[in-house]
Amino acid sequence: NAGVTQTPKFRILKIGQSMTLQCTQDMNHNYMYWYRQDPGMGLKLIYYSVGAGITDKGEVPNGYNVSRSTTEDFPLRLELAAPSQTSVYFCASNGAGGGGQPQHFGDGTRLSIL
Amino acid sequence: GESVGLHLPTLSVQEGDNSIINCAYSNSASDYFIWYKQESGKGPQFIIDIRSNMDKRQGQRVTVLLNKTVKHLSLQIAATQPGDSAVYFCAENESNSNSGYALNFGKGTSLLVTP
Repeated sequence: NAGVTQTPKFRILKIGQSMTLQCTQDMNHNYMYWYRQDPGMGLKLIYYSVGAGITDKGEVPNGYNVSRSTTEDFPLRLELAAPSQTSVYFCASNGAGGGGQPQHFGDGTRLSIL
Repeated sequence: GESVGLHLPTLSVQEGDNSIINCAYSNSASDYFIWYKQESGKGPQFIIDIRSNMDKRQGQRVTVLLNKTVKHLSLQIAATQPGDSAVYFCAENESNSNSGYALNFGKGTSLLVTP
């Protein structure tokens, strides 16, 4: 099983550039999440989705946008990259019930903004 | 705001010993708790979870203990092996909240297993 797949694994951007981080899951999970992890820290929630067509902000949404047109895909968009967005980005998903269920994570996208 | 934190940032144990990683949480409404293991360059990997209606749960070589009175969570790893070296995160949520069930993560404890 592929689980949660994130692409690209690494990326370097210049300030002001834009990019989309891709996330897809093959477990038919309704709930999907984007987190960022800064060095030596835990994960902070950027955006989440409870199903296709439904998204909502998490703790640190500024500078990001998301969409959820299908159950499988949950891309994260950076419109104007800033150095503060240098981080490791993780996508996760879980199934029926959402809360009280383990989230399954991808291996992350390591993003540097120079 | 309320947070999840860890008592120790690093823990060094000898191979074969038991490891105990501690975690404190402050949200009294939290009812779901989970431990993740994160190896270098990888995403968090689920280890074990526990709900607030339990105080102990066991898996393969791992045990999670929950003390709701003092808002404390611990992960015990029996007969620690070199492959257990990683960063361990505790996380929690209120499973019936309106936040979309996102997890609130602590900062992590780095476990180093020495031969």
